[in-house]
Amino acid sequence: AQKITQTQPGMFVQEKEAVTLDCTYDTSDQSYGLFWYKQPSSGEMIFLIYQGSYDEQNATEGRYSLNFQKARKSANLVISASQLGDSAMYFCAMSYNTDKLIFGTGTRLQVFP
Amino acid sequence: SAVISQKPSRDICQRGTSLTIQCQVDSQVTMMFWYRQQPGQSLTLIATANQGSEATYESGFVIDKFPISRPNLTFSTLTVSNMSPEDSSIYLCSVGFGGLYEQYFGPGTRLTVT
Repeated sequence: AQKITQTQPGMFVQEKEAVTLDCTYDTSDQSYGLFWYKQPSSGEMIFLIYQGSYDEQNATEGRYSLNFQKARKSANLVISASQLGDSAMYFCAMSYNTDKLIFGTGTRLQVFP
Repeated sequence: SAVISQKPSRDICQRGTSLTIQCQVDSQVTMMFWYRQQPGQSLTLIATANQGSEATYESGFVIDKFPISRPNLTFSTLTVSNMSPEDSSIYLCSVGFGGLYEQYFGPGTRLTVT
């Protein structure tokens, strides 16, 4: 069975610093996708970044990068140069079986000045 | 990417009633899904909305409680039937393009049942 684990319930980071949010996964599938979403207090789910299991290079999208270590089954999100607007819940997710997503429990990030 | 809208954005309903949530996409998509997020929790998949056929439900979710329609490739509805306070959640639709690629969510419907 597929499983996503986020072990950090909450993280604090100072503005302009980088922060890493941890995510490990478990699956017996060879083909899968890994996602990170941001959920502000409004409740919407904002897509941040995607990594395919066969992608050899780490995905990057602006200030977001995904540190993909396949052998360790980890897919950590790195946010560089944090901004106050980055304060939100962050969810790691994995796709399986025709695009179904399974989510981790989330990490609440708070950015302080 | 895709632009996804949901109606209503929020509602307060009395127990025992039903609410239908609409999800509209600005382009044809292969896959549409409905998720539930209970207060303070993560997202859980309710069902896959199949175009022109019955939805495929995940364990713990049944058609009588969450009937779903998908008449075409850009539109789907989820009904929450015979509501109880435990149904108070955010309900989100999402769309995918097949092949385990990027998946996008609508803005969500925040439901409170009193």
